[in-house]
Amino acid sequence: EPEVTQTPSHQVTQMGQEVILRCVPISNHLYFYWYRQILGQKVEFLVSFYNNEISEKSEIFDDQFSVERPDGSNFTLKIRSTKLEDSAMYFCASRGTMNTGELFFGEGSRLTVL
Amino acid sequence: GNSVTQMEGPVTLSEEAFLTINCTYTATGYPSLFWYVQYPGEGLQLLLKATKADDKGSNKGFEATYRKETTSFHLEKGSVQVSDSAVYFCALKTGANSKLTFGKGITLSVRP
Repeated sequence: EPEVTQTPSHQVTQMGQEVILRCVPISNHLYFYWYRQILGQKVEFLVSFYNNEISEKSEIFDDQFSVERPDGSNFTLKIRSTKLEDSAMYFCASRGTMNTGELFFGEGSRLTVL
Repeated sequence: GNSVTQMEGPVTLSEEAFLTINCTYTATGYPSLFWYVQYPGEGLQLLLKATKADDKGSNKGFEATYRKETTSFHLEKGSVQVSDSAVYFCALKTGANSKLTFGKGITLSVRP
């Protein structure tokens, strides 16, 4: 069964460092998302991406964040200069053209900023 | 704005016990409601959904009924199994935008 894969599963970084989280969505999907969950808090929407551009972003998604689809398979989230409060589990998701509300999620990348 | 509130966890039950996980929501418009589940080492996956008031979503023995009058979408299962141990997330979506609004999630552990 096709699945969304994310790498790395866990990354530890120093404050101020750049981090890139990678996702390989399901191959025929066209809509891509990043969500995050800070420990003990809700899963929060960060950004949605379609047709090589951001379609919506939350107030969390400031200038320190960027997304890119560098080739036909990867979808990346970059945090330019990490802060302690960026420590969270980051989930990538994708969906096909049918807008049923069902998103297909990866297992997450845990980011720890020291 | 939209928000989802889930009961505090974790929840620990014995096998074959009855399960209820509470979820209430606040939304503008008429949301669709979802339960997602995350098994250990896996991504979140859709468990069930309901798109309008009084609809009942069901899957794998789990059920949830869309209650507009109480703005709730509680998840129930009559007899849980060890394999149901997972994190359960309630979520909603409004309008054509497929952005989901999630609750915190609740961890369910089922003992043999």
